[in-house]
Amino acid sequence: NAGVMQNPRHLVRRRGQEARLRCSPVKGHSHVYWYRQLPEEGLKFMVYLQKENIIDESGMPKERFSAEFPKEGPSILRIQQVVRGDSAAYFCASSPLRDRANNEQFFGPGTRLTVL
Amino acid sequence: AQKITQTQPGMFVQEKEAVTLDCTYDTSDQSYGLFWYKQPSSGEMIFLIYQGSYDEQNATEGRYSLNFQKARKSANLVISASQLGDSAMYFCAMREGSWGNEKLTFGTGTRLTIIP
Repeated sequence: NAGVMQNPRHLVRRRGQEARLRCSPVKGHSHVYWYRQLPEEGLKFMVYLQKENIIDESGMPKERFSAEFPKEGPSILRIQQVVRGDSAAYFCASSPLRDRANNEQFFGPGTRLTVL
Repeated sequence: AQKITQTQPGMFVQEKEAVTLDCTYDTSDQSYGLFWYKQPSSGEMIFLIYQGSYDEQNATEGRYSLNFQKARKSANLVISASQLGDSAMYFCAMREGSWGNEKLTFGTGTRLTIIP
C-alpha cells in the first residue's frame, strides 16, 4: 500500500507568487493534517480536514493560507503571495476513521518550500 | 507554558550504548497519547513508538522503549544498543483529549549523534 504522498517534494517560489502543495493520504484515510516545520524547529499544527470539511484550522495564519480536501482528489495547501518567512517544510499526515487500536499518524515525506 | 519540553538540544553517544532522550509534557486532559518520531537528515518523519495515558505498561517496539512516568508527566525514549543509523533528530509529540481530532503537538527535538 502506498503511504502518504506529497508533491512536489521541493518548490521554489519568488516573493508574491502562489504556492500549491498537494497531499494524497493513505488509501482509505479520511482525515488529513497539515504541519509546518521551520528550520531547526519542531513541527507545528496548521489545519485538520476531513473530506470537504475543515475541522480545526486553529494553527493556520489568518491571511494568505488556505486548505481544502475535496471529495475527489488530494488535499491542497495554498499559500498566496508568499514571503520569505513562508520558507519551511510542510508535512501532511493522514489517519483513518477513529480507531484507538491504530494510533500511528502516517506522515508524508514533506514539501520543502523555498521563497526567494 | 510549553506542552512538550525536550531539554536536550543535542546528544553524542558511543555506538552500542543505550541512550535516553527526555520528554516532559503538560496537559490537564485525562486521555492523551504520547508519540516519538525520528527525522533523519533526509527529512521524513518516521513513527517509532506510542504510549496511551491509560496504558499500564511501558510501550516497547524492538530497540525502542518508552519510560512512561505519569505522575511526573514524563515520557522518555530509551534506545538500546545504539547504531550509527540512529543518528537523527528525535521529536516527542502529544495528542490530547477529544475523540476524533488527532492533531499532534511537537517538542523542539533532540539531535542525536552516534559516535563510532
